[in-house]
Amino acid sequence: DTAVSQTPKYLVTQMGNDKSIKCEQNLGHDTMYWYKQDSKKFLKIMFSYNNKELIINETVPNRFSPKSPDKAHLNLHINSLELGDSAVYFCASSQSKGLAWREQYFGPGTRLTVT
Amino acid sequence: DQQVKQNSPSLSVQEGRISILNCDYTNSMFDYFLWYKKYPAEGPTFLISISSIKDKNEDGRFTVFLNKSAKHLSLHIVPSQPGDSAVYFCAASARWGKLTFGQGTILTVHP
Repeated sequence: DTAVSQTPKYLVTQMGNDKSIKCEQNLGHDTMYWYKQDSKKFLKIMFSYNNKELIINETVPNRFSPKSPDKAHLNLHINSLELGDSAVYFCASSQSKGLAWREQYFGPGTRLTVT
Repeated sequence: DQQVKQNSPSLSVQEGRISILNCDYTNSMFDYFLWYKKYPAEGPTFLISISSIKDKNEDGRFTVFLNKSAKHLSLHIVPSQPGDSAVYFCAASARWGKLTFGQGTILTVHP
């Protein structure tokens, strides 16, 4: 009964490859997020979807493309992977009403290593 | 530009004593602040929050203090327990949908 799940947990790949990370939430939330935790440990928002609509798109290279097939899923596809993409990627979800969106539920993270 | 900073990478405390974790921010538009806790190999979990109209919020052993003039908030844990050992992230929001996180402080509580 995992609330927010991500697959895979670990991903090791070579530069130039294309890879996807999947996220699913069973909390009935209507908003989902992708965060990147960089080498300095800051968690930075990348994208946010509300009811399958993209509402936040931070300064992220076009090689990153999120896709939300439904409210419970938010996938992240990365083209032409670069060394600097190595990081831990976290998916999160929340309700959008009132202040509830701030209390986000995070997945366990996907550690991406690009060699 | 890191708008939320936690300048102490780590903190070590004896069980039963008080743990004080600090966070500074630069964006005066932030109106809501949160603390998240993270165990290894898990995602962050929400711990406690405070609105900018308040200066204190308490939940059991956890209290968050906000000093708007100093753009500073702190998390107090009393008494500290070994199970509190984790990474603590401070976060802030100014607009719908976007949380800005600090880089975290590793808290170790020794038995």
